[in-house]
Amino acid sequence: AQSVTQLGSHVSVSEGALVLLRCNYSSSVPPYLFWYVQYPNQGLQLLLKYTTGATLVKGINGFEAEFKKSETSFHLTKPSAHMSDAAEYFCAVSRSSNYKLTFGKGTLLTVNP
Amino acid sequence: EADIYQTPRYLVIGTGKKITLECSQTMGHDKMYWYQQDPGMELHLIHYSYGVNSTEKGDLSSESTVSRIRTEHFPLTLESARPSHTSQYLCASSESGTVGEKLFFGSGTQLSVL
Repeated sequence: AQSVTQLGSHVSVSEGALVLLRCNYSSSVPPYLFWYVQYPNQGLQLLLKYTTGATLVKGINGFEAEFKKSETSFHLTKPSAHMSDAAEYFCAVSRSSNYKLTFGKGTLLTVNP
Repeated sequence: EADIYQTPRYLVIGTGKKITLECSQTMGHDKMYWYQQDPGMELHLIHYSYGVNSTEKGDLSSESTVSRIRTEHFPLTLESARPSHTSQYLCASSESGTVGEKLFFGSGTQLSVL
């Protein structure tokens, strides 16, 4: 079985501040982990993914995430928020490269000027 | 970047109507998916297909049905819509054979059943 918990359904930051979106997972096997972003009135798009190898993964738009097996976490960060980062962010887990994704409930990021 | 299209974008219909939500992709992907998304809830997989003439039910039980007669087309049908079917439906596709497959999503169909 696999599941994802995203802590905080809504996160609000000021422009230029650190963005931290939390994701914890459970998986009976080594996981594949993903962050997707959904901008208003658009479909989800992949931000970054962890499969194997380096635990710090860099994605698009300056985002990165670190896989911490001991904490079963895959938190998403960005050093300095931009207004254009306002969106909903979804963490997802898969137990293999060909297995279906399980998504979290999403975290809505608001960026204040 | 995404070449996956869903129509209509919004649909408001009365109870008991038959509806079909369209999904097409031009990337030649083998795998296609339908997710149901409600505000503040997880995306739930309701149907998936790994190729032509292959369809499977997902993790969340749904009264909808799907077909996959052509690689690029994966429509979802509700024979008799009910208010409980009100939701956002997202279609996605992915390419087989890559490690940690990337899903490409359409913009979704927001269905409201009155």
